[in-house]
Amino acid sequence: KAGVTQTPRYLIKTRGQQVTLSCSPISGHRSVSWYQQTPGQGLQFLFEYFSETQRNKGNFPGRFSGRQFSNSRSEMNVSTLELGDSALYLCASSLGLPRNEQFFGPGTRLTVL
Amino acid sequence: AQKVTQAQTEISVVEKEDVTLDCVYETRDTTYYLFWYKQPPSGELVFLIRRNSFDEQNEISGRYSWNFQKSTSSFNFTITASQVVDSAVYFCALSEEGGSEKLVFGKGTKLTVNP
Repeated sequence: KAGVTQTPRYLIKTRGQQVTLSCSPISGHRSVSWYQQTPGQGLQFLFEYFSETQRNKGNFPGRFSGRQFSNSRSEMNVSTLELGDSALYLCASSLGLPRNEQFFGPGTRLTVL
Repeated sequence: AQKVTQAQTEISVVEKEDVTLDCVYETRDTTYYLFWYKQPPSGELVFLIRRNSFDEQNEISGRYSWNFQKSTSSFNFTITASQVVDSAVYFCALSEEGGSEKLVFGKGTKLTVNP
């Protein structure tokens, strides 16, 4: 069974640009969550989608947005990039049943110059 | 509010030593879930264990064991006879009851096992 895949794996952007990251969950999983990992703040929850609906959102500015498609694949978008957005962005998928374990992808390393 | 504290930032041991990683959590909910994840240098978080708040039984899986104590709000993780391959960052996480999979992570403990 294929794991969670994330594309691209590495990305370099400049301030002010926007970026879209993609996540394909494990087959059959309906919940996709996104996390930002930085050395200073650690792992922080961005948002979660379940059956194409945003079920929860973390404390991030509106520049961070996401969506989920009918096949459960998810994208997150960051507009007007700032230097502080440089991070590892991790996607996790789960069945979406109460408190199933979440399986994480390898992440997308975003560098903002 | 939810909070997870991993007071040990870094731990270094010699192979075959036992090591315990501490995790203390805060939550107002009576129903919650605790997790441990491992993050090797490759970056991908690997699920290790999930425990719900009603199950205080300790668990052992091979060289890994977990001690859950609600009285002290702790969920500690012990690796017995550590190996170099155990070197990684270990995260403790908390999820509360409700319609979301949101995990609140601790800052992580970097474990280095030296040969």
